[in-house]
Amino acid sequence: GAVVSQHPSWVICKSGTSVKIECRSLDFQATTMFWYRQFPKQSLMLMATSNEGSKATYEQGVEKDKFLINHASLTLSTLTVTSAHPEDSSFYICSARKPRAREQYFGPGTRLTVT
Amino acid sequence: AQKITQTQPGMFVQEKEAVTLDCTYDTSDPSYGLFWYKQPSSGEMIFLIYQGSYDQQNATEGRYSLNFQKARKSANLVISASQLGDSAMYFCAMRELVEGNTPLVFGKGTRLSVIA
Repeated sequence: GAVVSQHPSWVICKSGTSVKIECRSLDFQATTMFWYRQFPKQSLMLMATSNEGSKATYEQGVEKDKFLINHASLTLSTLTVTSAHPEDSSFYICSARKPRAREQYFGPGTRLTVT
Repeated sequence: AQKITQTQPGMFVQEKEAVTLDCTYDTSDPSYGLFWYKQPSSGEMIFLIYQGSYDQQNATEGRYSLNFQKARKSANLVISASQLGDSAMYFCAMRELVEGNTPLVFGKGTRLSVIA
């Protein structure tokens, strides 16, 4: 099956700093990747759709200036949490789908803790 | 807009018994796909089973089967012969199968606990 990786798997940062999370599709090219956020004991909430070579599409209520998404290649999308605050502490999961495939593959997630 | 509803926050089942996890959905698109994912405490999302809106038969994958009732807009997951390792969060999700890359939308999930 397809594999999606994320790095780092967990990160602790101080309030006010920025954190970059990488999402890679390891054995297929993904023109589109999706970023989700999951708070404890809650569901996955779609943050944005990342399109290779163009601007990301953000869901309502997600601040695009705070959560910067860059999809520079067909195998890499990055999410940068800028000026992180404790309320940004969450589990961030990326996902990708092979072209014309129905299944959506998920990365292992990144647990962000902002102190 | 599409919507997924899972009304059972938590479920308990005895080991080796079968359990049904409920999922209802709402969409105006006639072409859609329904998915079930398992999320253990590690956080990874594990794909379990898929049902397309035009599929005539209910999907089955090993011990997992999907009870698809299109008129009722329900897609319940049935796990047979429960095992202790089945204890996890289970999410129902849907994607409208239109042109372009539409994302999966998830329900709130059901936490399944399998008791020995």
